[in-house]
Amino acid sequence: EPEVTQTPSHQVTQMGQEVILRCVPISNHLYFYWYRQILGQKVEFLVSFYNNEISEKSEIFDDQFSVERPDGSNFTLKIRSTKLEDSAMYFCASITDRGVGELFFGEGSRLTVL
Amino acid sequence: DQQVKQNSPSLSVQEGRISILNCDYTNSMFDYFLWYKKYPAEGPTFLISISSIKDKNEDGRFTVFLNKSAKHLSLHIVPSQPGDSAVYFCAASETSGTYKYIFGTGTRLKVLA
Repeated sequence: EPEVTQTPSHQVTQMGQEVILRCVPISNHLYFYWYRQILGQKVEFLVSFYNNEISEKSEIFDDQFSVERPDGSNFTLKIRSTKLEDSAMYFCASITDRGVGELFFGEGSRLTVL
Repeated sequence: DQQVKQNSPSLSVQEGRISILNCDYTNSMFDYFLWYKKYPAEGPTFLISISSIKDKNEDGRFTVFLNKSAKHLSLHIVPSQPGDSAVYFCAASETSGTYKYIFGTGTRLKVLA
């Protein structure tokens, strides 16, 4: 069964450092997402991506965040200068068509900022 | 602005009984709804969905009911099993507009053996 894969599963970093989280979406999917979940809280939308550009982003997704799909396969989330409050599980997701159907999630990348 | 709300943070049910998880939304433009199940340290996994043209969708032990006038949906699990113990999230999207799925705050279901 096709799946969304994410690396790393866990990353520990110092405040102020740059972090890149990687995702390989399901191959025939067209829309890609990053969500995050701070421990015990809801799953929050960060950004959606289609046709090599951001479709929509939330208030959380400020100038410190960026996404790209450099090689048509990997979909990355970069945090330029991490803050303590960026500590969370980050989930990548993909779907064949926007807004309709099941959003497939990866297992998540746990980011711990010290 | 909490567009999707799950007002019960937790629910305990005896094995074999019905579990009912509730979800309310405020955005009348939402027309597609999903339920996800999540175990700790794993990604959400899809359970069942419903389009706003329906008021009920059933898949095995899982049934989702949609009341558009009340902006309310519920997930029924019958019979509940210990393996159903997890956090359940409802999510909503606007198929003709935004690209994002909005998730509720989750309800932790514990099925007691």
